[in-house]
Amino acid sequence: RKEVEQDPGPFNVPEGATVAFNCTYSNSASQSFFWYRQDCRKEPKLLMSVYSSGNEDGRFTAQLNRASQYISLLIRDSKLSDSATYLCVVYHTGGFKTIFGAGTRLFVKA
Amino acid sequence: NAGVTQTPKFRVLKTGQSMTLLCAQDMNHEYMYWYRQDPGMGLRLIHYSVGEGTTAKGEVPDGYNVSRLKKQNFLLGLESAAPSQTSVYFCASSKIPGFQETQYFGPGTRLLVL
Repeated sequence: RKEVEQDPGPFNVPEGATVAFNCTYSNSASQSFFWYRQDCRKEPKLLMSVYSSGNEDGRFTAQLNRASQYISLLIRDSKLSDSATYLCVVYHTGGFKTIFGAGTRLFVKA
Repeated sequence: NAGVTQTPKFRVLKTGQSMTLLCAQDMNHEYMYWYRQDPGMGLRLIHYSVGEGTTAKGEVPDGYNVSRLKKQNFLLGLESAAPSQTSVYFCASSKIPGFQETQYFGPGTRLLVL
């Protein structure tokens, strides 16, 4: 079983739609959580950190559920420019490990 | 600031050849990392460094060596390339990791081993 698992996708949505991605992690000692965005043939870039209380950045909302060990990302009012692969990232201090999920691909169409 | 840069951007090797990938960062970060990314898999950590002169193994270190002689540079070496090392290689750097760790990635090196 992978330490970090994501919806495989791809998600195909029209502009303006709301889309949600889920990510589960297996190590209960995980301490920090992030969503990165990766455009085709580009490097990953931090989209947002995920805080225990949940956090919002414009159209993006991230949630953390420690009891169930999952993270979610909600994108509202999708734009064409949101088309990318979204990587769930989990960090735990034991053993200095940052684990990247395989990513969920999103296509937003006009 | 250039951020994190990688050289070369693309390379084709024959099995058994050697090469070195160069990563440079101008953000004065202590931590640097080398990852590989393969289709259907997340980025996997090859080696990392917590400071100048120090390196450590990551998840998939076999077949690779690294050096961090200067704080701003992190080199990844393949002594005898194998087709299984065909991948996209990303270098990244970060401040000393604490509770919130943001990694800054280079543009990647695409390596094809024939």
